[in-house]
Amino acid sequence: VQLVASGGAVVQPGGSLRLSCAASGFRFDDYAMHWVRQVPGKGLEWVSFITWNGGNIYYADSVEGRFSIFRDNTKNFTYLQMRSLRPEDSGFYYCAKAGGIAAADNWFDHWGQGTLVTVSS
Amino acid sequence: EIVLTQSPGTLSLSPGERASLSCRASQRLDSHFLAWYQHKPGQAPRLLIYGASNRATGIPDRFSGSGSGADFTLTISRLEPEDFAVYYCQQYGVSPPLTFGGGTKVEI
Repeated sequence: VQLVASGGAVVQPGGSLRLSCAASGFRFDDYAMHWVRQVPGKGLEWVSFITWNGGNIYYADSVEGRFSIFRDNTKNFTYLQMRSLRPEDSGFYYCAKAGGIAAADNWFDHWGQGTLVTVSS
Repeated sequence: EIVLTQSPGTLSLSPGERASLSCRASQRLDSHFLAWYQHKPGQAPRLLIYGASNRATGIPDRFSGSGSGADFTLTISRLEPEDFAVYYCQQYGVSPPLTFGGGTKVEI
C-alpha cells in the first residue's frame, strides 16, 4: 500500500489550494479515504472523509463550508479542495486509508507522507 | 463531539521500562472503537492498535491495548530505543466527527 500526498504550498489568507493523494497497492474503490492534519508542535486533527463511492462525505466543523473532498476511483486519487484559507489551516496534511471496508472501520491503517500547507501573507 | 483526554502529557522513562498510557473519553465509546498511533517527527503516524486491543499488522507484541467503555490504556511492556515518540488515541465509528486525544510524549 502506498499513499502519496501532494499539492501543499504557501498561500495567502483567503486563498485556495487543492491537495491530491495518489493511492496504490490496494482495491482503492473498496475503502473510505480520510484527510488528517497536524499543526507543527500540536496534535492530530481529523479533517474530512469520503466513503468508498463518494456517497457519504463528512467534515470537521472547523473546515465545513470551506473544504471539499472528492475522489476519482478510475485514477485512484483522493482530493481536498481548500478555499477561504486561514492561518490556522496551516500544517501538514496527511491522506489516510480506512482500516476496513465496513462503514465503521474509520481507523487509519496507512498514511501518506504529509504535504505542508502554509497560510501566510 | 467525543473528547479524548490523554495522560500523562509526558512520560519520562528508560529503555527496558514499562510504559502505561491512558486515554479517557468524555462518553462511552461504541464497540471498542478506539485506535492508537505512534508518531515520530518528520514521519507519518503509524497505526499500533485498533478496536481497543487488536494489534495492527507488523506491530511487535510488546505493544498492547486494553480497556472498554470510556477508559483505555496502551501498554508498552519493555521500551526499546525506537519507541520514544508521541502516542495518540483516536475514537472512530460510523458517525463523525472522529477525534484524537492530545497525545502523550514518551521521552528518555
